[in-house]
Parts: sequence; C-alpha cells; structure tokens
Amino acid sequence: DTGVSQNPRHKITKRGQNVTFRCDPISEHNRLYWYRQTLGQGPEFLTYFQNEAQLEKSRLLSDRFSAERPKGSFSTLEIQRTEQGDSAMYLCASSGGQGLVYEQYFGPGTRLTVT
Amino acid sequence: AQKVTQAQTEISVVEKEDVTLDCVYETRDTTYYLFWYKQPPSGELVFLIRRNSFDEQNEISGRYSWNFQKSTSSFNFTITASQVVDSAVYFCALSGNNNAGNMLTFGGGTRLMVKP
Repeated sequence: DTGVSQNPRHKITKRGQNVTFRCDPISEHNRLYWYRQTLGQGPEFLTYFQNEAQLEKSRLLSDRFSAERPKGSFSTLEIQRTEQGDSAMYLCASSGGQGLVYEQYFGPGTRLTVT
Repeated sequence: AQKVTQAQTEISVVEKEDVTLDCVYETRDTTYYLFWYKQPPSGELVFLIRRNSFDEQNEISGRYSWNFQKSTSSFNFTITASQVVDSAVYFCALSGNNNAGNMLTFGGGTRLMVKP
C-alpha cells in the first residue's frame, strides 16, 4: 500500500493561468476527497467522489474550480483563471475499501502559489 | 451545521511534560465521528484516532490518550511525557452520517512546540 500521492507537490503560476492537480488514492479506496488549507487554518472540504460519481460539489469555492475522477481511480482538480486568493495547499484524501469507511488518509498536498 | 473549536492556538512545553489539547464540537447529528490528525512540519496530515459518538470509552495508545465526553461535547487529546518529535500542528475533526460522504469538518488546529 503506497498511500495517497499528489502531483505536483508545488506549483507556481501567474494570475489568470489555469492549473491542474492530480491525486492518486489508495488503490482499494472508493471515496476520494479534495480539501483546501490556507496558512494557519484547518483544511476546508471542497468536493468528494464515490467511485467515478461526484456526489458533492456545492462546496467548491467558485465555478472556476472543477474536479473529475473519470474512471473511479485518480482524480484531477482544475482551477481556471487563477487569482492570488487561490494560493493555498490543496489536499486529497481517500477512504473506503475493505478497511474502515470513515478514516480518511491524506496525501502530501499540492502547494499552489499564484503570483 | 457542524463546528469544531480548538481554543488553544499554540502550546509550548518542555520535553517530558504532559500536555492536553482541547477540542469542543457542535453537531445536530445523532451519530457522528470524531478524529484527531497530526500535521508535522513536512505538511502531511497523519490520522491518529477515530471515535464513534456511541462509544464513550476513553482510549490509550502508548503515550497518547483521548477523553471523549458527550455531555460537554469535548474530545480532548493528552500526550504523556512529551517528546520533541511530538512538535506539530494537531487537528480535531468531525464527520456525521448526514454529511456529504462523511466529509470532515476541521478545527483551526493547535500548534504544539516541545522544547528539549
């Protein structure tokens, strides 16, 4: 079990550019979550998938944010027309499978800096 | 709506001291789950424990212990004989059966600094 992985680990972009982050969950986990963490705060829930279905997306911060999980395995989070306020750590977590459903295991995060 | 409050933003102790991190929660769910996560300087959130709302037994794991009190809506975390490696930000989190996919609601975190 290799854990949750995220790429890239760091991303610096200019305001107005689009960025995409990838998350690979623990292989047998069917639930995948995205959170955002700003400096000095706890993570904030954005969206989640059960298999390939996105079952909650009302917490995405604006319509510039979108996420996909096309085959129920890896997921991508895209931010279009980035703004300086989007600078944060984006965390992915997974849960489910034969293990306990409620523990979420987090990846190392992608730190986004918008200049 | 769910809410988690960690009133202590920062705690500093000397190695070998005991330290308790406080967590108070609010929820309307009758069944819910409470968690503690550790975030060391490397940044990755590490799962420590989950408690179910219907199980109020306290738990001990090595130097870590957790005190769940439903009557006061608290889920406090004690580290006994703290060590420098315990230095991290600790988050308390809550999820309920009525929340989207058991999403986690986190508190603001407590930064623990253990000095040698």
